[in-house]
Amino acid sequence: LAKTTQPISMDSYEGQEVNITCSHNNIATNDYITWYQQFPSQGPRFIIQGYKTKVTNEVASLFIPADRKSSTLSLPRVSLSDTAVYYCLVDAGNNRKLIWGLGTSLAVNP
Amino acid sequence: DAMVIQNPRYQVTQFGKPVTLSCSQTLNHNVMYWYQQKSSQAPKLLFHYYDKDFNNEADTPDNFQSRRPNTSFCFLDIRSPGLGDAAMYLCATGTSGYEQYFGPGTRLTVT
Repeated sequence: LAKTTQPISMDSYEGQEVNITCSHNNIATNDYITWYQQFPSQGPRFIIQGYKTKVTNEVASLFIPADRKSSTLSLPRVSLSDTAVYYCLVDAGNNRKLIWGLGTSLAVNP
Repeated sequence: DAMVIQNPRYQVTQFGKPVTLSCSQTLNHNVMYWYQQKSSQAPKLLFHYYDKDFNNEADTPDNFQSRRPNTSFCFLDIRSPGLGDAAMYLCATGTSGYEQYFGPGTRLTVT
């Protein structure tokens, strides 16, 4: 069963690129990797999902190496409003297990 | 355009008094999830429905039950709330294997 591990906290400054890495050593063949953002007193919000290599959307990029045992969420040029908790999720899909990481609390400073 | 709606947003109940939280969706997703989230912790999946199929997590206490009368609605019943059940309860919907859409949550206080 996949277990996800991610840093508890990170600090950054406005305008910098932030990379948050999640390890999932026991990821299964059919598992997807999904990242969510959560602000206080709100539900998590989907950021990006990937299976392998690189995925990019309007807010982030997700890098997944060939062995898929880790993934890196990349947030380009963060702003103060990106201060939030970021969760890595391994999603087996097909009505199977969801494995959430404990979350990385990102603080963006002026 | 609200997509996942949770009512109420705040709920206060007494120790041992049954309480029901509700969730509705306008997305017509076949999967609905209930999570419990305590302060500074990750969401903890309690159970989910895949269509009408109920899937309980192994460590979800029997005190927590769920009902899904139709595609749009799902309920979380806490039969005898304890002080340890005070938390944010999140409902989410999805099409298994893809992104989940979360509601705003219901914050439950047990007195």
